[in-house]
Amino acid sequence: AQSVSQHNHHVILSEAASLELGCNYSYGGTVNLFWYVQYPGQHLQLLLKYFSGDPLVKGIKGFEAEFIKSKFSFNLRKPSVQWSDTAEYFCAVNAHTDKLIFGTGTRLQVFP
Amino acid sequence: DTAVSQTPKYLVTQMGNDKSIKCEQNLGHDTMYWYKQDSKKFLKIMFSYNNKELIINETVPNRFSPKSPDKAHLNLHINSLELGDSAVYFCASSRQGTLDYEQYFGPGTRLTVT
Repeated sequence: AQSVSQHNHHVILSEAASLELGCNYSYGGTVNLFWYVQYPGQHLQLLLKYFSGDPLVKGIKGFEAEFIKSKFSFNLRKPSVQWSDTAEYFCAVNAHTDKLIFGTGTRLQVFP
Repeated sequence: DTAVSQTPKYLVTQMGNDKSIKCEQNLGHDTMYWYKQDSKKFLKIMFSYNNKELIINETVPNRFSPKSPDKAHLNLHINSLELGDSAVYFCASSRQGTLDYEQYFGPGTRLTVT
């Protein structure tokens, strides 16, 4: 069965610090990968996605993620975080089906 | 323009009651979903409908019954509510035939059972 692991449960950073959130999935076949963000009290919004092509994917708000197939990883990065990035971040995977499997989420707190 | 909308946004009710949550999407998508987000923020799929037909049912208690009157609507009816049903319920939709199956989420319904 597919699963998604996000090892960082809670990350605390100061503004301008660099961010990297880990995401690993378990599935041997071809997958689509997503990062969603949930700002406090709001719904999930798509940050970026990978389904083919360049493994380095750029998303909204300066976020990017790199798909490393050999490591089954899709880590999210941002060179300089802002206070407004405080949110819950979810990695998700689907194996070319409608079923989207989410990781447990990473809570990011950014302090001014 | 609202893409995926849910009503109500908040729902507070007592154990044993029956309640419904409604979801509508105006994106022309073929597939709709219900997810449950628990108090630890964990998101898990409950149901998926494609063109009004159930395609995913993830071992959810049969007190939960989804209904899709047409492909733009997917409602969730819950009978005999229990304390453990307290959660945020998200509706989502996607277009069949796309390469990535990207899903678009609604604003969520926070259900509190007392």
